[in-house]
Amino acid sequence: DAGVIQSPRHEVTEMGQEVTLRCKPISGHNSLFWYRQTMMRGLELLIYFNNNVPIDDSGMPEDRFSAKMPNASFSTLKIQPSEPRDSAVYFCASSLKGYSNQPQHFGDGTRLSIL
Amino acid sequence: EDQVTQSPEALRLQEGESSSLNCSYTVSGLRGLFWYRQDPGKGPEFLFTLYSAGEEKEKERLKATLTKKESFLHITAPKPEDSATYLCAVQATNAGKSTFGDGTTLTVKP
Repeated sequence: DAGVIQSPRHEVTEMGQEVTLRCKPISGHNSLFWYRQTMMRGLELLIYFNNNVPIDDSGMPEDRFSAKMPNASFSTLKIQPSEPRDSAVYFCASSLKGYSNQPQHFGDGTRLSIL
Repeated sequence: EDQVTQSPEALRLQEGESSSLNCSYTVSGLRGLFWYRQDPGKGPEFLFTLYSAGEEKEKERLKATLTKKESFLHITAPKPEDSATYLCAVQATNAGKSTFGDGTTLTVKP
């Protein structure tokens, strides 16, 4: 079975550029989560969707970050303009059913470096 | 606010030397406690879900237990391939998201 698919795996870009990260959740899962992981702050939840609707975006750092889920099989996380402090590994995860005890299944992440 | 604290931050064991990782939590009603394993360059991989105090789950050399305040991940006779970061997360009954701890990085030397 295909797991959560993220692209690109690595992204290196210059400060000020727009960055778009992509995620394809596991088919049939109706909750999707975006996380950021750094050594200093660990795994931070940025935003999560239930049935394609954003439920909680309180973890989004600032207005430079935006996320969309146009359909059940695709989501994007966009940073515009990017800054060096955005450098981190960004993970997407999905789970079978929101507001339940189903575990999350993670992709292998996008390693983002902003120069 | 839900909180998860994992200890120790890092643990170094010799192959075959059993030990335990701790996950202390505070949550307003527990829906589930999750253990994940994360290898370098990879996303967290789900291991176990525990739902209520007294529950235990086992998988190979790993056994997870749960009380009302903490969970333990017991590792029996570990091997070098068990080296990874182990993450604990809790989900409250009224939440659609999980709160993660900072993890314990386990290194098993041959």
